[in-house]
Amino acid sequence: AQSVTQPDIHITVSEGASLELRCNYSYGATPYLFWYVQSPGQGLQLLLKYFSGDTLVQGIKGFEAEFKRSQSSFNLRKPSVHWSDAAEYFCAVGANSGGYQKVTFGTGTKLQVIP
Amino acid sequence: ETGVTQTPRHLVMGMTNKKSLKCEQHLGHNAMYWYKQSAKKPLELMFVYNFKEQTENNSVPSRFSPECPNSSHLFLHLHTLQPEDSALYLCASSQQYTLAGTDEQFFGPGTRLTVL
Repeated sequence: AQSVTQPDIHITVSEGASLELRCNYSYGATPYLFWYVQSPGQGLQLLLKYFSGDTLVQGIKGFEAEFKRSQSSFNLRKPSVHWSDAAEYFCAVGANSGGYQKVTFGTGTKLQVIP
Repeated sequence: ETGVTQTPRHLVMGMTNKKSLKCEQHLGHNAMYWYKQSAKKPLELMFVYNFKEQTENNSVPSRFSPECPNSSHLFLHLHTLQPEDSALYLCASSQQYTLAGTDEQFFGPGTRLTVL
């Protein structure tokens, strides 16, 4: 069974500082990996995804993530955080199971941005 | 309307009420999903529909009853709910049934349900 761990429940960074959100997954084969963002009162929006190929993936809003198979990690990074990045971030691992796509989400990391 | 829409956005109901949540996707997708998002818990997949046919019921209590009349609409009928069912219910859709290539799930804004 696949699983995702986001070890940081809450992170606070200063505006303009760099950001790294951690994600570790468990899955037997090469996984499909996703990062989603959720603003208060909203649904989830996809930031980026990894299926294969280049292990450094670029996403929207200046985010990137790096797939490291040896560490079973898919950490999300941004070089300079903006106040509008304050939200909750979810890492997810996907696989095909029983004829449908099963996406398993982590518990999320809530990002606070201070001036 | 674009993307995935959900109505109502907020719902308060008593334990003896019957209500329905509606989801509509305007993306021409073939698969739709219901998720439950509770505080401090990961998103829980409830139901999966592939082109109107239910392919997964993730051990959801029978007080939740899904309906998918066509590939664009998905309903979640609620009856005799419990207070612990209070949560954000998210609908999603995807182009393909299975993950392949660049497929992804698109989410609606959710319905915030409170059961009194």
